[in-house]
Amino acid sequence: DAKTTQPPSMDCAEGRAANLPCNHSTISGNEYVYWYRQIHSQGPQYIIHGLKNNETNEMASLIITEDRKSSTLILPHATLRDTAVYYCIVRGFLAGGTSYGKLTFGQGTILTVHP
Amino acid sequence: KAGVTQTPRYLIKTRGQQVTLSCSPISGHRSVSWYQQTPGQGLQFLFEYFSETQRNKGNFPGRFSGRQFSNSRSEMNVSTLELGDSALYLCASSSLEGYNEQFFGPGTRLTVL
Repeated sequence: DAKTTQPPSMDCAEGRAANLPCNHSTISGNEYVYWYRQIHSQGPQYIIHGLKNNETNEMASLIITEDRKSSTLILPHATLRDTAVYYCIVRGFLAGGTSYGKLTFGQGTILTVHP
Repeated sequence: KAGVTQTPRYLIKTRGQQVTLSCSPISGHRSVSWYQQTPGQGLQFLFEYFSETQRNKGNFPGRFSGRQFSNSRSEMNVSTLELGDSALYLCASSSLEGYNEQFFGPGTRLTVL
């Protein structure tokens, strides 16, 4: 799986958009970008994933650059409860969509949302 | 539906002992993965089971082992515990092999004295 690079920490004001960048310059064609977050003392929580098109769900939006070498997770209106460690993960799949379930976590970005 | 459950939530053992941790996946999920989380090494993949078969294994010594039962419940075992095994052990389940997200349990906090 490709390696990812994230800033170690970021701050965001409550109510504002939080934009978390991730660099994955060695990503290959069959690798997806996944985002998880971990709130203190809890298990990681899935947020969103994508291949090359931008994706949006009820939690966040994922913007992937055209060359797929970087992406940005956007929390449109951050709240205090969004304070967590955010992990950007690149995950490969074999032909037919088979994955071997392994997520390779980096150090992530500590996002602190303040009032 | 109920989430991933892990038992026990907290455990204290001494060096040299062995420990067994249990994970019950979300109903209908057949894939179970285990991770170790420590302050120094972060989250590291241990192994993954699918339909009672280990499909993938991380870079951990043979003291770490696991199994999965026909009802998809999984156990992991650590023998001859070392101080460095103190960690949060997380279990995650997913519905099918493929692009599905993994759902994590709350973890078991193991302390080795």
